[in-house]
Amino acid sequence: DAGVIQSPRHEVTEMGQEVTLRCKPISGHDYLFWYRQTMMRGLELLIYFNNNVPIDDSGMPEDRFSAKMPNASFSTLKIQPSEPRDSAVYFCASSQGQSGANVLTFGAGSRLTVL
Amino acid sequence: AQKVTQAQTEISVVEKEDVTLDCVYETRDTTYYLFWYKQPPSGELVFLIRRNSFDEQNEISGRYSWNFQKSTSSFNFTITASQVVDSAVYFCALSEVYQGGSEKLVFGKGTKLTVNP
Repeated sequence: DAGVIQSPRHEVTEMGQEVTLRCKPISGHDYLFWYRQTMMRGLELLIYFNNNVPIDDSGMPEDRFSAKMPNASFSTLKIQPSEPRDSAVYFCASSQGQSGANVLTFGAGSRLTVL
Repeated sequence: AQKVTQAQTEISVVEKEDVTLDCVYETRDTTYYLFWYKQPPSGELVFLIRRNSFDEQNEISGRYSWNFQKSTSSFNFTITASQVVDSAVYFCALSEVYQGGSEKLVFGKGTKLTVNP
């Protein structure tokens, strides 16, 4: 398996632009997570899906952020409009298995810079 | 609420030294899981170990060992005879398990380990 695949790996954009980050989870995994990593706040869970259904989006910072999972092999995280404070590394992770015991497999991350 | 504290922000050692990374957690639940992940300079997060709250046995895997003590809410990680390739940021994480609850895995802020030749 190729692991969790994220694209783009790097994105530089200007404030106000729309940003879409993409994730392909490991085949057969029924959980998908989006995390954000910054120096100040560390790793924060934004949202997670179980069987393509969003379960907990309490970590999504504000309405500018949205996430979808139209099928088991694809998810997007969209920021519209983007702001400089959104600059961070965004990780997608997937897992399979029992509640709370999930071992997450992370993608390589998407480094976003908003100017 | 669950919380993970890694008090050591950065540690620097010389190759072959032993080093211990501290992790202290807070949780209201009796059933939970603890994890360690490694983030090398390349950036991806790599799973190292998972322990459940009912298993306090220490674990050893090669040069790595983990000490889980519920009495002090700690889950410390020791690298014996460190090597330059161990240089990375190490994260401790906690996941609670409760009926109908969230799958949140909460991470500590991480400890950056630098092993110098």
